[in-house]
Order: sequence, then C-alpha cells, then structure tokens
Amino acid sequence: EPEVTQTPSHQVTQMGQEVILRCVPISNHLYFYWYRQILGQKVEFLVSFYNNEISEKSEIFDDQFSVERPDGSNFTLKIRSTKLEDSAMYFCASSLNSGTGDEQFFGPGTRLTVL
Amino acid sequence: AQSVTQLGSHVSVSEGALVLLRCNYSSSVPPYLFWYVQYPNQGLQLLLKYTSAATLVKGINGFEAEFKKSETSFHLTKPSAHMSDAAEYFCAVTPNNQGGKLIFGQGTELSVKP
Repeated sequence: EPEVTQTPSHQVTQMGQEVILRCVPISNHLYFYWYRQILGQKVEFLVSFYNNEISEKSEIFDDQFSVERPDGSNFTLKIRSTKLEDSAMYFCASSLNSGTGDEQFFGPGTRLTVL
Repeated sequence: AQSVTQLGSHVSVSEGALVLLRCNYSSSVPPYLFWYVQYPNQGLQLLLKYTSAATLVKGINGFEAEFKKSETSFHLTKPSAHMSDAAEYFCAVTPNNQGGKLIFGQGTELSVKP
C-alpha cells in the first residue's frame, strides 16, 4: 500500500541553524501539506502546496519557513534559522484532491529538537 | 474562524466497554469532518470521515461516528473496546470551500484496561 515517508525521523539542531525536513508523498497525489505538533499541543496546519506553489499558509508559516518540490517526488520544508520554539513533530501529508473531503495521508513525522 | 473541541484529553475504558470520544465543531456551514488515530511512533491514520452524505459514518476497526448538525457534534463510538484501540484520537474539520487544510482538535488519548 502506498505511503508517505519522511526523513529523518529525528533531527537535532542548534538554534540559528537551517534545517530541511524531507517528505516523499504518495506518487499520484497532487496536494501536499505540512503540519506540526508541539509537545502536548494540537496538530497545527502550516502550509498547503499545489501545482508548484503555496496555496495556503498559516500565521505560523513566516519568512523563516519555505517549501519546495525540487524533483517531482520530494517535498521539503526548510526552516532558515531555527528557534527554540520550532521544536515540534512535523508531519507531511498528501491528498489526491483538495477541498472535497479527500483523505489526507500522513507520514510518520520528523521530531525536530532545537537546542 | 473554524475550531474543533474534543472534550476530555484522556479517556480510560475497560476492554469490552463502550468507547465514546466527543468532538464538537464551530461552523455556520457544516464542514467536512474527520477522525484520525495516531498509534505510538506512527503518523495519523484516517478512521472515518463525514462529507455530507449519511449522518452515521462507519469507519475502520469497528468505529463509527454520527454527525448531528443541531448539536454541532461528531462523536466517535465503538461498542466494545479492544486493547489495540489504545491510541491518540484526533477530530478534525476541513472548512467547505476553503481548501484542504485540516483544523484539528487537541486530541484524546484512549487507554484500554484489561
């Protein structure tokens, strides 16, 4: 069964460093998402991506964040200068369609720890 | 703005007992509604979804949920809990005509006692 994969499973970085979180969505899916979950808090939407551009982003997704689909299979989230408060579990998701109640398939997550 | 409230951050039931996890949403227009489950060290997996068809929705692993517009609720139930049901459960909405982003509740951790 196709699945969304994410690497690495755990990333530890120093404050101010750049990190890139990687995701491989399901191959025929067209819509891609990043969510994050700070420990003990709810899962929060960060950004959605379709047709090589951002379709929606939350207030959390400021200039420090960027997303890219560099090669038609990977979908990356970059944080340019990490802060302590960026420590969270980051989930990638993909869906075939958007806004139609389509299921979003989630990856297992990357736990980011900023020291 | 849309929001989702899950009553009870932790629910504990005995094996074989009824599972009831509560979810209320705020919306003037019925959204699409979802229940996801997260097992330890895994991603979120869809249990079931409501997309304006039948109000009683059946999902995987014996779970079902009923959409009640008058109560703005979408509670998740299972008649008989199994040890393998122990996990974190998330209710979520996708607002109609606002793209596909999911707005999640805070989650409910379900424990099942032998």
